[in-house]
Amino acid sequence: ETGVTQSPTHLIKTRGQQVTLRCSSQSGHNTVSWYQQALGQGPQFIFQYYREEENGRGNFPPRFSGLQFPNYSSELNVNALELDDSALYLCASSLDRQGGGYTFGSGTRLTVV
Amino acid sequence: AQSVAQPEDQVNVAEGNPLTVKCTYSVSGNPYLFWYVQYPNRGLQFLLKYITGDNLVKGSYGFEAEFNKSQTSFHLKKPSALVSDSALYFCAVRPYGNNRLAFGKGNQVVVIP
Repeated sequence: ETGVTQSPTHLIKTRGQQVTLRCSSQSGHNTVSWYQQALGQGPQFIFQYYREEENGRGNFPPRFSGLQFPNYSSELNVNALELDDSALYLCASSLDRQGGGYTFGSGTRLTVV
Repeated sequence: AQSVAQPEDQVNVAEGNPLTVKCTYSVSGNPYLFWYVQYPNRGLQFLLKYITGDNLVKGSYGFEAEFNKSQTSFHLKKPSALVSDSALYFCAVRPYGNNRLAFGKGNQVVVIP
């Protein structure tokens, strides 16, 4: 049974650029949630995807968007990057939308300069 | 809206001594409660969860947590701490029927040899 895989592990972008982060969910999981963890803070919910549809969104602007594919993998896209977008982005997969447990990936460390 | 409070920034404990990491929560309805651990530059690793049933929950690596509904608390405990338990610990809550985790700010645990 494979876990949650995220890529890339690190990247550096310039303010104003766009970035795409990727997540492969754990085998058998059909739901993917994305979280942003700023330095020294707990993770904050960005949004969740269930069977290729967005299923709930946190307090993040529309320049944060996502996709889920038929194999349940997912992408997080951020447009017009700002310095405050620098954070660890975590992907979590679960068996369903209200799963009792979530499996987290190791995250993508994004630095915006 | 749900929220989690982890009142201590850092918990220092001598190796072999009992470890307690405190968590209180605020949520409407019945809560699902979680503890995760994070090692440097890594994602979140699941320790244990409370869904329903016994108030004392046993998890991975010898950790346990006690759900106290009247005090809205879910403190994490380990009878004998190891140096390898030094890490960042997050408490999280999700109301029944909701699909997003709300995390506390985290507690840094330092186990002193």
